[in-house]
Amino acid sequence: DTGVSQDPRHKITKRGQNVTFRCDPISEHNRLYWYRQTLGQGPEFLTYFQNEAQLEKSRLLSDRFSAERPKGSFSTLEIQRTEQGDSAMYLCASMSARSSGNTIYFGEGSWLTVV
Amino acid sequence: KQEVTQIPAALSVPEGENLVLNCSFTDSAIYNLQWFRQDPGKGLTSLLLIQSSQREQTSGRLNASLDKSSGRSTLYIAASQPGDSATYLCAGAPISNFGNEKLTFGTGTRLTIIP
Repeated sequence: DTGVSQDPRHKITKRGQNVTFRCDPISEHNRLYWYRQTLGQGPEFLTYFQNEAQLEKSRLLSDRFSAERPKGSFSTLEIQRTEQGDSAMYLCASMSARSSGNTIYFGEGSWLTVV
Repeated sequence: KQEVTQIPAALSVPEGENLVLNCSFTDSAIYNLQWFRQDPGKGLTSLLLIQSSQREQTSGRLNASLDKSSGRSTLYIAASQPGDSATYLCAGAPISNFGNEKLTFGTGTRLTIIP
């Protein structure tokens, strides 16, 4: 257990439905990241926050995706009108960005299957 | 655009052997290079982070090296154990104070240690 919690761990949804994933980072970490990983591939960067500010979004994050981190604590990743191509593991990670060389901690991931 | 390649995709070795995993990246102007371990269906665990000013890092039986001029990194595992069986991913990031923004991952090497 790295201290980064993700919920739910598994989600099966029908195409066209909306889904939301939650990430609780390590409490003192000010940076929070979302990545997506499909089978046999490495994770791909989606977006990251410093405190409550969303600093960067990947082009992979279409307008059906939205991420928030209210109050700089937990974060949510919502996918609207899901498509089969959204099936993947969504990974959250956190880090303290107050000094160099800090370790990034990943959660166990949230598996999404769109049927 | 940064691309990270890991060869081989899979590797099986008898227990006790020393082994080397390879990672190459296209943009040597960056980089901080990080090695992760991923167990099946799980999140990622950071193993070693090599900052752009460093050439190698060691932790226990693991040693990672970075050669920016050739765009290569290696992960050396000494005296392999069955518990080392996992997928090993390398990831690079733009030069920054913290080295963890927008990690670009390779597809990983699936390592199996045969008892």
